Amino acid sequence: DGGITQSPKYLFRKEGQNVTLSCEQNLNHDAMYWYRQDPGQGLRLIYYSQIVNDFQKGDIAEGYSVSREKKESFPLTVTSAQKNPTAFYLCASSMRLAGGAGATDTQYFGPGTRLTVL
Amino acid sequence: KQEVTQIPAALSVPEGENLVLNCSFTDSAIYNLQWFRQDPGKGLTSLLLIQSSQREQTSGRLNASLDKSSGRSTLYIAASQPGDSATYLCAVPGAGSYQLTFGKGTKLSVIP
Repeated sequence: DGGITQSPKYLFRKEGQNVTLSCEQNLNHDAMYWYRQDPGQGLRLIYYSQIVNDFQKGDIAEGYSVSREKKESFPLTVTSAQKNPTAFYLCASSMRLAGGAGATDTQYFGPGTRLTVL
Repeated sequence: KQEVTQIPAALSVPEGENLVLNCSFTDSAIYNLQWFRQDPGKGLTSLLLIQSSQREQTSGRLNASLDKSSGRSTLYIAASQPGDSATYLCAVPGAGSYQLTFGKGTKLSVIP
């Protein structure tokens, strides 16, 4: 089945630790995204990547880092510099960057990872 | 900066009713608008994508309309069912940006 997988489903982090969230897609999509969702708030973009070895900061990139070494993989690291990391993290992909001129591409989302800081 | 508002924040209806969810956005220079569904604790599922050149898009019991000039979109759900209970989000690209801006969603409860 084609789709996006995220692991783990639940993740617990101690203060001062870095943790890495996994995102893999087998849709052959070029663009990938990481969002953060907090209760009562809309999704906020952390990072996005248009192509392998290229990524751009979103609205709330501070305290996060990403890599895009393979087309199908876009891991997100939550560093100890992120002051309030407890949230639901969603990974998405699309054929191309959504919203560009003439773009028709739907974003497809993974099931999410819930990160809790202990 | 693009802002997206969804009203109401929550809606409860009896099964079988037709209903309308609203989405408004501040910058009308958009390429498209998407409606998503999110079940509790789950990721988002795309429902409909409307291009800026379109006025409507239909999928089964769902119909989405787009009025760019007024900065509004509606999602019409016909003959609602308990399985329609979820949070519905709309999203538009930011002005001159590839980033999607999401509304906070409307939480729909369909009562059997």
